Amino acid sequence: AQSVTQLDSHVSVSEGTPVLLRCNYSSSYSPSLFWYVQHPNKGLQLLLKYTSAATLVKGINGFEAEFKKSETSFHLTKPSAHMSDAAEYFCVVSVTTGGSYIPTFGRGTSLIVHP
Amino acid sequence: SQTIHQWPATLVQPVGSPLSLECTVEGTSNPNLYWYRQAAGRGLQLLFYSVGIGQISSEVPQNLSASRPQDRQFILSSKKLLLSDSGFYLCAWSKPTGTGDTQYFGPGTRLTVL
Repeated sequence: AQSVTQLDSHVSVSEGTPVLLRCNYSSSYSPSLFWYVQHPNKGLQLLLKYTSAATLVKGINGFEAEFKKSETSFHLTKPSAHMSDAAEYFCVVSVTTGGSYIPTFGRGTSLIVHP
Repeated sequence: SQTIHQWPATLVQPVGSPLSLECTVEGTSNPNLYWYRQAAGRGLQLLFYSVGIGQISSEVPQNLSASRPQDRQFILSSKKLLLSDSGFYLCAWSKPTGTGDTQYFGPGTRLTVL
């Protein structure tokens, strides 16, 4: 079984300040972990993914995430927020077993960026 | 390159009417296909997934059904819509790799049932 918890439903930051979106997961097997971003009324876009290579993963638009097995966490960070970063962010955990790939999505974190 | 299309983009339907949403993928073969629903202010709920033509797995019992008549075509249907079927419907595809399959999402269909 696998699950993912996004610890904050909303995060509010000022433009130019750091962003931290928190995600904890549980999985019976070695997981793959993803962060997706969704702008209003749009589909989801992949930001970055972890698949058991380097624990610090760099993604698009300056985002990065660090896989910490001991803490079962995969937090998303960005050094400096832009107005265009305002969106919904989803953390996803998945385990591929028996040829089936069923991802589990977190409930999402809404990032609000103030000018 | 691969692209995924969904239509229509928006749809307003009366309660009790039928539904057909279509999703097609271009530029790949034998993809895994998925239908998700996203209610207002909520996360994504996996409705159906398919690993091949005619192979559909349902994750949530409801009045919706899915079909995959062709390798890169995925259709979401209902015979009679309910008010609770309103939401944002997303189709996605992934290429089976054995580890860490990335999903690629379509632009979505906004369904309002009145």
